[in-house]
Amino acid sequence: DSGVTQTPKHLITATGQRVTLRCSPRSGDLSVYWYQQSLDQGLQFLIHYYNGEERAKGNILERFSAQQFPDLHSELNLSSLELGDSALYFCASSARTGASKELFFGEGSRLTVL
Amino acid sequence: GQNIDQPTEMTATEGAIVQINCTYQTSGFNGLFWYQQHAGEAPTFLSYNVLDGLEEKGRFSSFLSRSKGYSYLLLKELQMKDSASYLCAVDVGANNLFFGTGTRLTVIP
Repeated sequence: DSGVTQTPKHLITATGQRVTLRCSPRSGDLSVYWYQQSLDQGLQFLIHYYNGEERAKGNILERFSAQQFPDLHSELNLSSLELGDSALYFCASSARTGASKELFFGEGSRLTVL
Repeated sequence: GQNIDQPTEMTATEGAIVQINCTYQTSGFNGLFWYQQHAGEAPTFLSYNVLDGLEEKGRFSSFLSRSKGYSYLLLKELQMKDSASYLCAVDVGANNLFFGTGTRLTVIP
């Protein structure tokens, strides 16, 4: 158990809909990262938040948005869903201090768009 | 741009040694990570290299050559449970880990 909690674990929805994925980082971790992993694809970095502020953006579509709340949990919002958005969405957290920026991953949210 | 190359698949025998290579060309470099990911599960941290050389941790070792943009993960005394994908990732700076597509290792009896 990494200590990172993601909900829901599975989600099935239709094209054009909107969903929200939730992530609670490890206790004390200020950084939250979101990654997308499609079938047989690598982990694609979407966005990074640190203590409530956006720090870096990767290949995140304009239809996607995220935020980190004062209690440090984060939400990833996916709208106008398309079939190609079906993927595993991972949240990861890391501690601010230390030389190693090891990421601790949640179990992921598997999104299926029909 | 960023690019990480790893073999797509490898097969090795239980009890043997396997080396998984990773080459990278990235705009920045603050360190290299190896993660293990079993199918449908979360990636888990294996190793981190920031200086050239070999880091050993039990049955797993990781090597880095920054001048060559090259790393490898060495797995010894392979076990069936080592069947998984192994992801090479580079910290390219700005708090961004760029991942390769991973190497799917199958361990056979």
